[in-house]
Amino acid sequence: VQLVESGGGLVQPGGSLRLSCAASGFTFSNYWMRWVRQAPGKGLEWVANIKEDGSEKDYVESVKGRYTISRDNAKDSLYLQMDSLRAEDTAMYFCVRDTDGRSYYPSFDYWGRGTQVTVSS
Amino acid sequence: DIQMTQSPSSLSASVGDRVIITCRASQSVSSYLSWYQQKPGKAPKLLFFAASTPQSGVPSRFSGSGSGRDFALTITSLQPEDFATYYCQESFTIHRTFGQGTKLDIK
Repeated sequence: VQLVESGGGLVQPGGSLRLSCAASGFTFSNYWMRWVRQAPGKGLEWVANIKEDGSEKDYVESVKGRYTISRDNAKDSLYLQMDSLRAEDTAMYFCVRDTDGRSYYPSFDYWGRGTQVTVSS
Repeated sequence: DIQMTQSPSSLSASVGDRVIITCRASQSVSSYLSWYQQKPGKAPKLLFFAASTPQSGVPSRFSGSGSGRDFALTITSLQPEDFATYYCQESFTIHRTFGQGTKLDIK
């Protein structure tokens, strides 16, 4: 199993970025997927999740209306469109596989290495 | 939302020590509790799910316990590679809230 994120970088407040996560080594369309972020020196925070077929999505309150999670099962890829970015969105963003639906007790069993997003003028 | 509170927030210990990290949920999460280990500059790694079920490859000196609101991660005979930050996480809700983390460093 591999999850490889890309698309991070430095962006000005109010700007946009699109993160991508390329999945391999498993049947991507069988799993819920999530984005989790970690601000510098801080803990872990779930950001967004998407069901196997993309029919259900949810977001942490602080990004609702600004972030959009999506997936392309034909390309084994997960995305996070981030608009109206703020300084407080600065973090490492991890692509994560969730075992929901595959395990009675869900967990985040595989993580990518992360992509850094820095929002600063 | 369920709040997850870990104790202590930081802990200094020596190689060979036994340490216990606790995690308390603001309401019962049954056994929907996972533990993760994160080393500096790395992604978190799943240690336990279902409160006490080890992920494949987790050394036997690690153990997880508890149910309901109170949980513990125990490491017996600390090894140099165990110094890291540990997080608990509930999977009772779709939000999968994490604890604030416990940083374990060398005394």
